[in-house]
Formats: sequence, C-alpha cells, structure tokens
Amino acid sequence: GESVGLHLPTLSVQEGDNSIINCAYSNSASDYFIWYKQESGKGPQFIIDIRSNMDKRQGQRVTVLLNKTVKHLSLQIAATQPGDSAVYFCAEGTARQLTFGSGTQLTVLP
Amino acid sequence: SQTIHQWPATLVQPVGSPLSLECTVEGTSNPNLYWYRQAAGRGLQLLFYSVGIGQISSEVPQNLSASRPQDRQFILSSKKLLLSDSGFYLCAWSPTNTEAFFGQGTRLTVV
Repeated sequence: GESVGLHLPTLSVQEGDNSIINCAYSNSASDYFIWYKQESGKGPQFIIDIRSNMDKRQGQRVTVLLNKTVKHLSLQIAATQPGDSAVYFCAEGTARQLTFGSGTQLTVLP
Repeated sequence: SQTIHQWPATLVQPVGSPLSLECTVEGTSNPNLYWYRQAAGRGLQLLFYSVGIGQISSEVPQNLSASRPQDRQFILSSKKLLLSDSGFYLCAWSPTNTEAFFGQGTRLTVV
C-alpha cells in the first residue's frame, strides 16, 4: 500500500545548468545498469544503459558514469530543461531480475 | 520503432470483481514480455514473464494470472480481486531479456 510521508532524495537545478544524479549499488557482481526517468503516474522511461566493462557512455544530452571500485553510478544531464523534471532511478540487472535503486526527484527551476 | 501500449491507465474495481489488463507491443517480433508491480517505495516486483505465445512463468504466488494469446499481446487477469491487489502495474518488453521498456502503467484501486 501507499507509504505516507515517503520522501525521495531531491535535486533542484536551474534551467540550463547541468544535473548530476548519483546512485550506489550493492551487488559487486552486477554487470548491467540502466537509468530510467519516471514522471508522475507514468511508466519508467529508458534513458541509457551501461555494461560493467565500460566506465562511461554518452547519449543525447546524457552521460552515465560507472565506478565499479566504489559501486557508484551517476547520470549527468547537460543543459537541463523543464521537461527533465521527474524521478530518476538507477536499475541493475536485466528485465527478469531488475532491481530499482531509490529514486531521485529532479526539479528544474525556471 | 517499437512501441508498447498498456491500458487502461486507471481502474477502480470492487473487491471480488474480475480484472483484465492488456498490453500490446508494436514494431518487434517475439519479444520477451513482463508484468511488474511497482510499490509505493518505487521497488519493482516481477509478477510474470513470457518468452513466447502460451509460455508464462510466474515469479510469485498471488491472486493474479497472465496469458499471452498472441505474439505481441500480454494480459494480466484475476478472477476475484482483493484489496491487496491495488497498486501500479507495469507491462514491459525486452528484445532478449536485456533492457526493459515499460508501458505507461495502470493504477488499479480495489475498493
């Protein structure tokens, strides 16, 4: 059921600035990671993925960095736009064994 | 390009009533299909997955069932809904059990 008072980590950025969203994972055997964007009431939207044999991957306006030594993943969004406001989740594993991390609420300020 | 459609977006059903949520995928053949439930804490629970027509694997015992009558159609059903079935249900597809691409979700409220 719903949890009253559930708070997500939040990040507020000015429109046009770059955003960096961080995620820590616990399973050192994880070899596949995905970032999803989820707007209120909608399904998660695939943004970018990365495999453990890489430490950086770039997409359109987004970059994912993977630091396996400290088990840390980050998503960088360049020139953040109002439409980027959403909850962002890092996920590990493939579709049959997909684990979402705790999300981050990104708010883009005008 | 591939698209996934899931409906309805919201549904309010009385306890004991049946349920049918439908999901279809376009632009791909023989996708892996999945039904998840997303909890309020954003955790994702895999309910069912299918690698082909008529092939359904259930991940957790529950009051729900799934069927895949056509290659790109996946249905989540229940004969009698319970209050505890309320939640946000997500259909997803994957080319070969790699990345999951999600539908828009269905908010089910059982009253």
